[in-house]
Amino acid sequence: GQNIDQPTEMTATEGAIVQINCTYQTSGFNGLFWYQQHAGEAPTFLSYNVLDGLEEKGRFSSFLSRSKGYSYLLLKELQMKDSASYLCASRDSNYQLIWGAGTKLIIKP
Amino acid sequence: IAGITQAPTSQILAAGRRMTLRCTQDMRHNAMYWYRQDLGLGLRLIHYSNTAGTTGKGEVPDGYSVSRANTDDFPLTLASAVPSQTSVYFCASSGLAGSNTQYFGPGTRLTVL
Repeated sequence: GQNIDQPTEMTATEGAIVQINCTYQTSGFNGLFWYQQHAGEAPTFLSYNVLDGLEEKGRFSSFLSRSKGYSYLLLKELQMKDSASYLCASRDSNYQLIWGAGTKLIIKP
Repeated sequence: IAGITQAPTSQILAAGRRMTLRCTQDMRHNAMYWYRQDLGLGLRLIHYSNTAGTTGKGEVPDGYSVSRANTDDFPLTLASAVPSQTSVYFCASSGLAGSNTQYFGPGTRLTVL
């Protein structure tokens, strides 16, 4: 079957580092996406991984291990504006996205 | 306009009424999608279209229909709304090359009473 698991909620401190994990089971896996969604707004694209390894983009990095069905999103130097939900989505062989329920990240000063 | 627009922003609807949610993109993307987002659940695909003139069913298509007469527009119709269709509806689009990243419209918040 198709399944995505990520923690429901995480809390971190401003200026710190946080890692949000995502595990997936996807037929014909074809890529892993991370999106950010602020409350009441649309999801916005953060990163895409299709090969194993780490992709770095400023304060945000995303890692993929295809053999383990595992990804993480790493956020460094946390800012209050990073308080949001982070959505993990895997793409299947039909190029459709299967979405996790999202991880709500709470940043405390 | 730039990107994807959706209308209306929000709507309260009586059960049994017909409703069309509008979605327009100006990025010349081939593929378009309709999702619903409910608290505690991931985005769920309702219908999609890989190119103008074609549509397909997603995970939760029952009670919804779509059309794709041209590249830019992808309306979603609820023929006879029911309370379980209360949700936030997002339209998205993507190209058909490279990462095929999906870009989202601002959403429509629909309440069916």
